[in-house]
Amino acid sequence: EVQLVESGGGLVKPGGSLRLSCAASGFTFSSYSMNWVRQAPGKGLEWVSSISRSSSYIYYADSLKGRFIISRDNAKNSVFLQMNSLRAEDTAVYYCARSDIELDQYYFDYWGRGTLVTVSS
Amino acid sequence: QSALTQPASVSGSPGQSITISCTGTTNDVGGYNYVSWYQQHPGKAPKLMIYDVSYRPSGVSNRFSGSKSGNTASLTISGLQAEDEADYYCNSYTSSSTLNFGGGTKLTVL
Repeated sequence: EVQLVESGGGLVKPGGSLRLSCAASGFTFSSYSMNWVRQAPGKGLEWVSSISRSSSYIYYADSLKGRFIISRDNAKNSVFLQMNSLRAEDTAVYYCARSDIELDQYYFDYWGRGTLVTVSS
Repeated sequence: QSALTQPASVSGSPGQSITISCTGTTNDVGGYNYVSWYQQHPGKAPKLMIYDVSYRPSGVSNRFSGSKSGNTASLTISGLQAEDEADYYCNSYTSSSTLNFGGGTKLTVL
């Protein structure tokens, strides 16, 4: 069974940093792209970032303006999101999701349950 | 990137059919057959319902179907059931190699 489990969320002050993790199991992690998608409270889904199987291709939403960094460790079946210079508008549930951009599969077939990030003083 | 345009809400009675539209541009919906649709119940993670415009993942009811014409994609749900009440989001690949969601549509089953 495919499982994606996010962790690392919590309360952080504006301007602070946070590192999210997503642990994957139930599939060959290194054969899939991974993504982060966020959802602010009461709002819609927003794609954040994607990383290809071997980290050769990395993409970010324009709105992030270089504050977030996605990475992965195929040996540990994990993907990460380093979030810097956090703002109140980054408050959201952050979901980890699977895709396969190298096979032109630009959809998210499995999702984690999400981890809540709250940016507040 | 601007969000794809979806109606804020749609409604229908049990047994009826409804269609949710998702309008973009030639740089996303109109330019690629990489439109997907997600269902999200309150407090739950999204679930993939349609990919590549009109393909259903294994396990998704055939009451759900997708299509596209020009810059507008559509999700149709036939034989509405109470369990279909949820938020629905479209998503498209873009010419900037990014992904863009619609603003979401709340489906109410009357």
